[in-house]
Amino acid sequence: GAGVSQTPSNKVTEKGKYVELRCDPISGHTALYWYRQSLGQGPEFLIYFQGTGAADDSGLPNDRFFAVRPEGSVSTLKIQRTERGDSAVYLCASSLTSFSEQYFGPGTRLTVT
Amino acid sequence: AQSVSQHNHHVILSEAASLELGCNYSYGGTVNLFWYVQYPGQHLQLLLKYFSGDPLVKGIKGFEAEFIKSKFSFNLRKPSVQWSDTAEYFCAVNAERDDKIIFGKGTRLHILP
Repeated sequence: GAGVSQTPSNKVTEKGKYVELRCDPISGHTALYWYRQSLGQGPEFLIYFQGTGAADDSGLPNDRFFAVRPEGSVSTLKIQRTERGDSAVYLCASSLTSFSEQYFGPGTRLTVT
Repeated sequence: AQSVSQHNHHVILSEAASLELGCNYSYGGTVNLFWYVQYPGQHLQLLLKYFSGDPLVKGIKGFEAEFIKSKFSFNLRKPSVQWSDTAEYFCAVNAERDDKIIFGKGTRLHILP
């Protein structure tokens, strides 16, 4: 079946602009996660949704970052007033239920110039 | 807070050599442990996991890992590597009943044909 998909695969934006990154989880998966992977680092947790609600947003670095999952399926990560330090690969993962195996998408490579 | 340390950032081996990648974590409570692999141009995928039971865990493609609780370690092993094992390997941990996964910085493995 289809895996986790993320769009766009690459995004280049200018400093100060607003961006949205989309994640389509595996159908039927109730849990959805966002991670960020900077160069030379492992993925870093950002936020976790169970259904429509954000169950844990402790990894969001500041209030410029926000994520939604209005219908419990697709999620959008929103970054306001982008900074060069936001450049990274943003990964999405989904799992059938909480505490089960997470399946990762291909990521969106964000470059802020 | 949990953290994961991977001992080697870059490992180069010849085909048929034996592999051991070190991983230590810090967390005082019960943990779940993972090794993820990212082949060139592909998504992160789960190689193996330890939740409970036998501390010697077998994964895909002939990989195994041993959980040594007294050493807070979860080293990855393979007796004879192949060129196709060239990839980046991430050790990861999550505290029991906590959804976020904490990743190490990764080890780039390069197998010479």
